[in-house]
Parts: sequence; structure tokens; C-alpha cells
Amino acid sequence: SAVISQKPSRDICQRGTSLTIQCQVDSQVTMMFWYRQQPGQSLTLIATANQGSEATYESGFVIDKFPISRPNLTFSTLTVSNMSPEDSSIYLCSVGTQAYGYTFGSGTRLTVV
Amino acid sequence: KQEVTQIPAALSVPEGENLVLNCSFTDSAIYNLQWFRQDPGKGLTSLLLIQSSQREQTSGRLNASLDKSSGRSTLYIAASQPGDSATYLCAVQTSNRLAFGKGNQVVVIP
Repeated sequence: SAVISQKPSRDICQRGTSLTIQCQVDSQVTMMFWYRQQPGQSLTLIATANQGSEATYESGFVIDKFPISRPNLTFSTLTVSNMSPEDSSIYLCSVGTQAYGYTFGSGTRLTVV
Repeated sequence: KQEVTQIPAALSVPEGENLVLNCSFTDSAIYNLQWFRQDPGKGLTSLLLIQSSQREQTSGRLNASLDKSSGRSTLYIAASQPGDSATYLCAVQTSNRLAFGKGNQVVVIP
């Protein structure tokens, strides 16, 4: 299965600022997925990123707040913009398929103060 | 909409006991079910993947069963160890998305 390197692993940010999270995969993949895990909650899909096209966002998530880049088949970034304390969560990227299951990055633990 | 429930939400067991973690889902039209382990503040580590056509999967001390018709999966961890302390997440795939439960938080007491 693919190996994902995600960074930063954690950060403490001031409200109103932005943070960009990076995920690097050790193989080429068509789709990359970005999730949010709020404290005590399950994972929620933010968006699906395809190389060469705009990311597809889930209900409740918008591009202005969570812009995503997908410059090639092994790399993607998620930016959390204009942060507020409600954005404090673990953010995770993932790759995978129905046949082989899904692999996740090590997560970015974000605290907004 | 697929709803995934994991029971119990939290449990503590003495070292050496077997662990039984339950996952239920509302829509039986799934492609597969995957169990993950999550350590505090970290990402997810895949443990077992069960395709919809399969009844169970085994890896070492771990065994997961799937009863698609009744919407249930069970993860068994034999002879638990303190290193098994973590949150275990169940995820079911329908169409092209995963639906997650909130997890079973496990503490194994030495």
C-alpha cells in the first residue's frame, strides 16, 4: 500500500491566519482525499482532489476556506484559511481504492488560539 | 445516508483478556469495510480490510468478521497487550466514499 508523508504534524496558530498542510505520496495516485476530525468526532470528508482539475468539496466545505492544490500525481496541499478556534481539529489526507482499501497520513493536529 | 455506530465507545480491560469491538452500519449495500487504529492526535493505521463478498479477515492476533446482511462487523483482538491501547475506527465504503464510526477507545491495563 502507498506510504503518505504528511506535514506539519502539529501546529498552534493565531486566529485569522492560514496554515498549509502538505501530503506527499510515494506512488502516483489519481485521487487524494482530505478529512477533518474534530475533537471526539469521527472523520468527515472535506474534499476529493484530482490532478488536473478542481477539487470536489463536500457539503459544508467551501474552496475559499479550504483551498486545495494538486499539482501532480504524488502531492497535494490543503490550506485552512482565516482560522478560528472552531477549526481546531486533526486534518488527514488519504489515498486508496475500493479494491485495496485506504491509507492515511500521520495527521496534522491544529490548535487555533 | 450511511450511519456507522461503534459500541462500546470506551472500554478498559486487563492485559491478556480478549477484546471484542462492535461496528454496525445502516446501509448494507457496501463495497468493503476497513478497521483502523488511531493513536492520540495521530493518523490512521489500517488493520484489516474485508470486501463485501468476504466473511472475515485475520492478521496475527486480529480477526474481523463481517455480516453484511445484518449490517455488523466485529473486531476481535486476542490476548490484549498494553500496546493495543488506542482508538479503533470502523469505516464502510459505499459508492466512492467512506463513512466512519466515532471509534472504540481501548485501554489495556498492565
